[in-house]
Amino acid sequence: EVQLVESGGGLVQPGGSLRLSCASSGFNVSSNYMSWVRQAPGKGLECVSVIYSGGYTYYADSVRGRFTISRDNSKNMLFLQMNSLRVEDTATYYCARDQYFDIWGRGTLVTVSS
Amino acid sequence: EIVMTQSPGTLSVSPGERATLSCRASHSVSSSLAWFQQKPGQAPRLLIYGASTRATGIPARFSGSGSGTEFTLTISSLQSEDFAVYYCQQYDYWPPLTFGGGTKVEIK
Repeated sequence: EVQLVESGGGLVQPGGSLRLSCASSGFNVSSNYMSWVRQAPGKGLECVSVIYSGGYTYYADSVRGRFTISRDNSKNMLFLQMNSLRVEDTATYYCARDQYFDIWGRGTLVTVSS
Repeated sequence: EIVMTQSPGTLSVSPGERATLSCRASHSVSSSLAWFQQKPGQAPRLLIYGASTRATGIPARFSGSGSGTEFTLTISSLQSEDFAVYYCQQYDYWPPLTFGGGTKVEIK
């Protein structure tokens, strides 16, 4: 079964760090565009980072310089290292496959609050 | 960046009726347009890609049309499970991959 499962969310203070993980099954993360999409409470969807099959990475202006996307091909996993977190980063973070997001995980909630 | 605009923001429809949702792109995206459905507490689900191709397992009552800058998602006869928020997304000119603001389909 093709599946994505996120983990690593939680409550963190402003300025803190978190590392999100996304475990893939049924396909290779290294062979696809893989993205992190977030959704603030009651708001719409925002693609914050993408890693291409060739390794190129993209970041939205809102997270560039603070977030780092990576993958471990041997473990078939995707990661998002989030540093210098801000209150406005509070959201559910989803990992998703390909440029039209055909597969999504269930999401992991990140809350940034003092 | 291509800006996606959806209308209306909220659509009130009775079960069994047709729903028509619109999505406009600030520049042409050819047919590189996807539609998603999201229910409360759930991840979005891909309904349509390539502007008009239904994803695996999506019922035939969902159909997509359009190209360039104007797109439509039609639900031919609304079922109770179809009341949700719908998003469009372009993948023609990226990064960034961009979404519309969503249309909420509610029970009239």
